[in-house]
Amino acid sequence: EDQVTQSPEALRLQEGESSSLNCSYTVSGLRGLFWYRQDPGKGPEFLFTLYSAGEEKEKERLKATLTKKESFLHITAPKPEDSATYLCAVQGSNDYKLSFGAGTTVTVRA
Amino acid sequence: DADVTQTPRNRITKTGKRIMLECSQTKGHDRMYWYRQDPGLGLRLIYYSFDVKDINKGEISDGYSVSRQAQAKFSLSLESAIPNQTALYFCATSDGGNYGYTFGSGTRLTVV
Repeated sequence: EDQVTQSPEALRLQEGESSSLNCSYTVSGLRGLFWYRQDPGKGPEFLFTLYSAGEEKEKERLKATLTKKESFLHITAPKPEDSATYLCAVQGSNDYKLSFGAGTTVTVRA
Repeated sequence: DADVTQTPRNRITKTGKRIMLECSQTKGHDRMYWYRQDPGLGLRLIYYSFDVKDINKGEISDGYSVSRQAQAKFSLSLESAIPNQTALYFCATSDGGNYGYTFGSGTRLTVV
């Protein structure tokens, strides 16, 4: 069974204080690792898909990287508007569903 | 208009009542999913459907049923609601490609 563990559960940052979120996974044949952002009262919003170890994707202050066992979401010089819950999910070779981690809630203080 | 619309947004119901949550999408995707989200547990799959004639159970389907009325519509029913079904419910769609899922805004269900 596919498993996804995210750490830490919560992260409080000062504006401009860079940090990283971790997503550890076990999956039978990785087809894709996905990062989503979820704001309170809303559904998750797609950020990135990573397919193979060594791959990196960037969007504004966010950068996602992938190894064979984990993915990191780096937040560089965060702003208060980056406050959200960040979800990691994997899709295995069975291809019918995404398995999600519990998320990391990031709070950025001005 | 949103790509994936869920109704109602919020619902309080009593134990033992039957309740239906509705989902419609304008993405033109064949694949639709129902997830529930609980604090500390993440999103867990209830049911999924790859086309109108295809319905499959997910990891936590007990106590739930679904209906795929059309390519664009996928409803979730709680036959006899119980308090531990209190959760945030999300509908999602995908084309099976590289962009994962598109989620609705969710239905917050409280069973008292």
